[in-house]
Amino acid sequence: QKEVEQNSGPLSVPEGAIASLNCTYSDRGSQSFFWYRQYSGKSPELIMSIYSNGDKEDGRFTAQLNKASQYVSLLIRDSQPSDSATYLCAVKKSGGGADGLTFGKGTHLIIQP
Amino acid sequence: EAGVAQSPRYKIIEKRQSVAFWCNPISGHATLYWYQQILGQGPKLLIQFQNNGVVDDSQLPKDRFSAERLKGVDSTLKIQPAKLEDSAVYLCASSSTVGVRDFGPGTRLTVT
Repeated sequence: QKEVEQNSGPLSVPEGAIASLNCTYSDRGSQSFFWYRQYSGKSPELIMSIYSNGDKEDGRFTAQLNKASQYVSLLIRDSQPSDSATYLCAVKKSGGGADGLTFGKGTHLIIQP
Repeated sequence: EAGVAQSPRYKIIEKRQSVAFWCNPISGHATLYWYQQILGQGPKLLIQFQNNGVVDDSQLPKDRFSAERLKGVDSTLKIQPAKLEDSAVYLCASSSTVGVRDFGPGTRLTVT
């Protein structure tokens, strides 16, 4: 089983609709979860971080975490063409001083005008 | 605040040659990471430094890859000898607190 799994897509969503991106992880001891956006040819940029079960909202973005089911999701409301990118789910290793992130392969999101 | 700097931005080498990448983290950031991102995949952690000490190098192919962090600031990543499968973008990131990662622009390596 891969450590962090995402549907690679592409996921096509009409402009103005809600885009829903999902991620599952295998390490039950993971404590910190992140969503990054990566435009083609660019480096990843942090969108959201979430550490506790439930929802966390920031503008048009909402991250959801369910540790019992080991999944994390990202909702993008009022999707804009500029949201078209690859979205990477990342999980922080549990334990010790090592806190490098384990990334999924990413979901390619296309917002159709 | 200046971001993470990396050089070169692009490099093309032949297999079995050696190559080195340089990273200058954000001032004051104690933690520095090197990630490898192969086309179509997410970044993969190669090595993590805390100041000038190695915290995690479990996924670094040590037979060909080496890295150091000079005086706890700049870092270099070296590949010797390179293989075709090393073609990737090498990303440097730095962090001051858990969960905050600033990535540099990356170095795109092509091995022919």
